Amino acid sequence: KQEVTQIPAALSVPEGENLVLNCSFTDSAIYNLQWFRQDPGKGLTSLLLIQSSQREQTSGRLNASLDKSSGRSTLYIAASQPGDSATYLCAVRGTTDSWGKLQFGAGTQVVVTP
Amino acid sequence: DTAVSQTPKYLVTQMGNDKSIKCEQNLGHDTMYWYKQDSKKFLKIMFSYNNKELIINETVPNRFSPKSPDKAHLNLHINSLELGDSAVYFCASSQGGSGEKLFFGSGTQLSVL
Repeated sequence: KQEVTQIPAALSVPEGENLVLNCSFTDSAIYNLQWFRQDPGKGLTSLLLIQSSQREQTSGRLNASLDKSSGRSTLYIAASQPGDSATYLCAVRGTTDSWGKLQFGAGTQVVVTP
Repeated sequence: DTAVSQTPKYLVTQMGNDKSIKCEQNLGHDTMYWYKQDSKKFLKIMFSYNNKELIINETVPNRFSPKSPDKAHLNLHINSLELGDSAVYFCASSQGGSGEKLFFGSGTQLSVL
């Protein structure tokens, strides 16, 4: 059974510092991995989707890496801003799972202080 | 324009009641989902529909019944509500296939008293 873990559960950084968020998964047989952002009272927003054949994806200040064999992904957010404060979740889809059946981690709650 | 909208945003009800949550997406996606986020913040899939056909039906009590009148709508009906049903329920949609970014609604916070 796939288990997805995100450490730390919470993180507070001053504005301008780079953020490093970690995600680990127990079963390396994944189809893809997604990073989401969740704001209080709002839904999830997909930030980056990495296919199992890819090593990384980039979008603006965000960069996500994937090391499937070691069961790890890292989300880097450069030059953090107060608007980056949110909960970040990673989710994996297993190779035998249907579309959209994702296993989520519990998330890392990020606070960026001005 | 909201891509995935669900109503109501908050639902407070007594044990034993029956309630429904509605979801609509205007993205033209073929697949829609219901996810549940429990008190520990874990999101778990409940159901998915592809073009009105049930694809995923996880181990969910029979009291939960999804209904998809067309591919833009997926509603969730819950019978005989129990205290343990209290959670946030999220609707989502995707185009399916390899480009399967999920688009989520803002959630319905259900509180059963």
